[in-house]
This record gives sequence, structure tokens and C-alpha cells, in this order.
Amino acid sequence: AQSVSQHNHHVILSEAASLELGCNYSYGGTVNLFWYVQYPGQHLQLLLKYFSGDPLVKGIKGFEAEFIKSKFSFNLRKPSVQWSDTAEYFCAVRNDYKLSFGAGTTVTVRA
Amino acid sequence: EAGVTQFPSHSVIEKGQTVTLRCDPISGHDNLYWYRRVMGKEIKFLLHFVKESKQDESGMPNNRFLAERTGGTYSTLKVQPAELEDSGVYFCASSFRDGSGANVLTFGAGSRLTVL
Repeated sequence: AQSVSQHNHHVILSEAASLELGCNYSYGGTVNLFWYVQYPGQHLQLLLKYFSGDPLVKGIKGFEAEFIKSKFSFNLRKPSVQWSDTAEYFCAVRNDYKLSFGAGTTVTVRA
Repeated sequence: EAGVTQFPSHSVIEKGQTVTLRCDPISGHDNLYWYRRVMGKEIKFLLHFVKESKQDESGMPNNRFLAERTGGTYSTLKVQPAELEDSGVYFCASSFRDGSGANVLTFGAGSRLTVL
């Protein structure tokens, strides 16, 4: 069974700092990769996705992620965070129709 | 368009009682999924419907959990009798298969279940 590992459980940083969240997965076949975000009190929202093509994908709100096949990684980045980026972030891998999620990373941005 | 709607948003019940969670997917979405997150852990797959048929229920914890999707529209997830370890957030998601063959799931806000 495939697994998804997120490197950090909780990240605390100041506004304007850069953010990088690590994600590694175990499945070796063709996968689709996603980052979801859950803002406080809201539902899970799709931040960005990778299916094929350019391994550097851009999502909403200035986020981007890079798929490195050789490292089985799909790390999420944002050059300069804002207080409103405080949320929980989930990496997910899809094989066929089923999504497997990481445990989530809580990001707290201090004003 | 309306999103995925889940009800109730929070339910507090005692061990041994029954709870039914409901999910209304986005209209036209044939695929409906249930996921669960136990506190602090990853979101785990429970089952997948295609229209009214169960495509995969391999993630259902045990036979105390029963999911239905009569008519291929909304779905219910019943827990009977509830146990303490059933506490968590139950997410519903829906999707349709787009041209690329890849489904993008839209999630509901979740139903938080607390079993005392």
C-alpha cells in the first residue's frame, strides 16, 4: 500500500518568511499528486495538483510545488507567507481513484 | 455551484448510540467518497460509491459502519453502535471523471463526531 509522509507536524513562522513543506510518497507507479489546505473552520480546498508535464506546478494564493520523481517528493513552497496562510496543509497521492493523505502540517504565521 | 454539503457539522453521542451522517455531493458527480480523520492522524479512505454502487469499501473499519447511497444522489454513513474510537471528523468528497481520466475531489466541511 502506498503511504504519504509529511515531514513537519507544526511549522511556526513570521509573515514574509518563506515556507517549504516536505512531502514524500512510497508508491512507484503513475500517481497524481495534490496539496489540499484547510483554513480554520473551513472545508478542505485544493491548493494545487500535478498530473503530468512541467514538474513545477503553480497553485492558488502564490503557492507552488515541485514534483521530483527520483526522490518521490512533492514539496510545497511559498516565497513569502501572510498571516492568512495559517492553516493545515495536506499532501495527497492518488492512484486510480483513491487518495492517500499525509498526516497534515499545521502552519501558524505570526503577524 | 453548490459545494459538497455535510450534516450534521458536529454530533456528540454516548457510546452505544447510533449516529447517521449525511452527505450531499455536487450535482452530477457520480463519484462519492467517505474519509475519516481520527484526531492528529492522517485522513483515511473509508469507501467509494459510483452512483449507487459501492466501488470500494475496503477502508470501512468494521461492520458497525454502514454506508448507503440510494438513488445515486446523497449518501448516509451510519455508525451503530458507536464506540469511543469512532470519534473523529468524517469527510465526504465527490467528483466526476474529467477528460483526462483524473478525478479531482471536492470535499465537504466534514462532520465531527464525538463519542463519550
